[in-house]
Amino acid sequence: DGGITQSPKYLFRKEGQNVTLSCEQNLNHDAMYWYRQDPGQGLRLIYYSQIVNDFQKGDIAEGYSVSREKKESFPLTVTSAQKNPTAFYLCASRAGIGDTQYFGPGTRLTVL
Amino acid sequence: GENVEQHPSTLSVQEGDSAVIKCTYSDSASNYFPWYKQELGKGSQLIIDIRSNVGEKKDQRIAVTLNKTAKHFSLHITETQPEDSAVYFCAASMGMRFGAGTRLTVKP
Repeated sequence: DGGITQSPKYLFRKEGQNVTLSCEQNLNHDAMYWYRQDPGQGLRLIYYSQIVNDFQKGDIAEGYSVSREKKESFPLTVTSAQKNPTAFYLCASRAGIGDTQYFGPGTRLTVL
Repeated sequence: GENVEQHPSTLSVQEGDSAVIKCTYSDSASNYFPWYKQELGKGSQLIIDIRSNVGEKKDQRIAVTLNKTAKHFSLHITETQPEDSAVYFCAASMGMRFGAGTRLTVKP
């Protein structure tokens, strides 16, 4: 089955710890994206990558970091510098600009 | 970067009525405009999309219209049903920015 997987579904961390969220796709898509969603709000773009070994900051990149060493993987690290990390994080991918974007199931991060 | 605005933020309709959600975008180079439906426990699913070479697209009870000159596009749901209740998001292609979402409630 082709698709996007995010793990884990729920994640709890103590304040001050870095945490890495996994996103893997086997759709052979070039572009991958990370979004953050807060209760009652829309999706805000954190980082995106249009090709392997390249990525760009989105609208709310501060306190986050990413890597794109492999086409199928785009992990997101939530660092201790992120002031309000508790949120629902969605990963997405698509073949290219203008193609359908597919979403992973999301990871709900709670920082205690 | 691209700026996408979506209205209204909440919409309540009676079952059987129509619902319309509108989005405006800022980047005239955007050429792909999808709509997603987000339901609890089901994630975000693409329900319809439109490309800039087309003015309207319809799929059963759902339609999307695009006005490139005015840089806005709209989602139309006819004969609404309770199962249409969800949060709907629009997006514009270049940077894949999303609108803030519309919570649609269809009252039986």
